[in-house]
Amino acid sequence: KAGVTQTPRYLIKTRGQQVTLSCSPISGHRSVSWYQQTPGQGLQFLFEYFSETQRNKGNFPGRFSGRQFSNSRSEMNVSTLELGDSALYLCASSLGLRTGGEETQYFGPGTRLLVL
Amino acid sequence: AQTVTQSQPEMSVQEAETVTLSCTYDTSESDYYLFWYKQPPSRQMILVIRQEAYKQQNATENRFSVNFQKAAKSFSLKISDSQLGDAAMYFCAYGTGTASKLTFGTGTRLQVTL
Repeated sequence: KAGVTQTPRYLIKTRGQQVTLSCSPISGHRSVSWYQQTPGQGLQFLFEYFSETQRNKGNFPGRFSGRQFSNSRSEMNVSTLELGDSALYLCASSLGLRTGGEETQYFGPGTRLLVL
Repeated sequence: AQTVTQSQPEMSVQEAETVTLSCTYDTSESDYYLFWYKQPPSRQMILVIRQEAYKQQNATENRFSVNFQKAAKSFSLKISDSQLGDAAMYFCAYGTGTASKLTFGTGTRLQVTL
């Protein structure tokens, strides 16, 4: 099976711009979660989408939003970029169900965002 | 709120030796999952091993094994016969329910020397 893919892999933006990141999950996975990784804050959960609905949300401002399509692909959008948004953005996919053994997230390679 | 603590920012091990990475967590839940992920310089997060809290038996995956102490809320990772390719950041993570929302520790950087 193909793994989780993320596009683009690298991105440079300037303050005030907006950005959209894309994540394609492993085939059959219906849950996509997004994480932000920075040297100062570590790995922080942004949100999770399951069957096109946001099911969990972390503690991030409303500038961070996402959506999921019927094929389970997910996009994350950050509006009005700030310097502090520079980070590695990781998405992870899973079945999203209580299956008694398959509750595991598999991560994509990440998108490195630099805000100048 | 659940917290995950990794108290060893860096560890070093010689090739072929054994090393143990520590992780403690705080939760009031009785049903949860614990994971160790490895992040090499490529930044790709790779699942190393998982443990379900309701299972008393410690998980093992080839050279990787865990020591899960539920009462002590401790979840350490033992790497046997260390290899150069094991050099990476190792993150301990906690999840409940469908484990779609993980709480991560701050990571331990493992160096493997010849």
